[in-house]
Amino acid sequence: IAGITQAPTSQILAAGRRMTLRCTQDMRHNAMYWYRQDLGLGLRLIHYSNTAGTTGKGEVPDGYSVSRANTDDFPLTLASAVPSQTSVYFCASRKDQGAGGELFFGEGSRLTVL
Amino acid sequence: DAKTTQPTSMDCAEGRAANLPCNHSTISGNEYVYWYRQIHSQGPQYIIHGLKNNETNEMASLIITEDRKSSTLILPHATLRDTAVYYCIVRVAVGNTPLVFGKGTRLSVIA
Repeated sequence: IAGITQAPTSQILAAGRRMTLRCTQDMRHNAMYWYRQDLGLGLRLIHYSNTAGTTGKGEVPDGYSVSRANTDDFPLTLASAVPSQTSVYFCASRKDQGAGGELFFGEGSRLTVL
Repeated sequence: DAKTTQPTSMDCAEGRAANLPCNHSTISGNEYVYWYRQIHSQGPQYIIHGLKNNETNEMASLIITEDRKSSTLILPHATLRDTAVYYCIVRVAVGNTPLVFGKGTRLSVIA
């Protein structure tokens, strides 16, 4: 089934460890996004990429890095995880620029940093 | 992008219409109104979007006031499966500006 795949679905991580959340889409969408969701704060944009080879910072980029080597993959890396990065992370993609082009979301990755 | 204001929560009886309001009084002429929803622990799902005309699709209707400062998402016959958090977002239509989500409205459909 075409769509967005995130991995892992859930992870417990010790503080200070490095972690990469993977996101792959097979819809050939140009734009991809990473959001985090915390209780009471809604969805917040971390980083985004409008096309392969480019990335941009969202609302809460500190402590995170991304890369976009190709169209399909958009990994999110926590270089040294901290407890405040405990959250549910959603990856999304979007095909078209302009008014149309709905966002398609993955099922999320639940990360707990102890 | 303009900010939006939504009620924190709403209830709706099953089978009745759910009317979810959104205030976007600072919206610009080139900004669209988008609605997404998120069912518990799932990724958000697109519902509908519009500029100034009312829009309808298989999921919902979007009513935008003439001055575009507010809108209402209408689920005509709410079911228990419509229980979710509904997000109203305004966004410039040019380019690939990311969608910025607020806290949304938690809709509870009650049997």
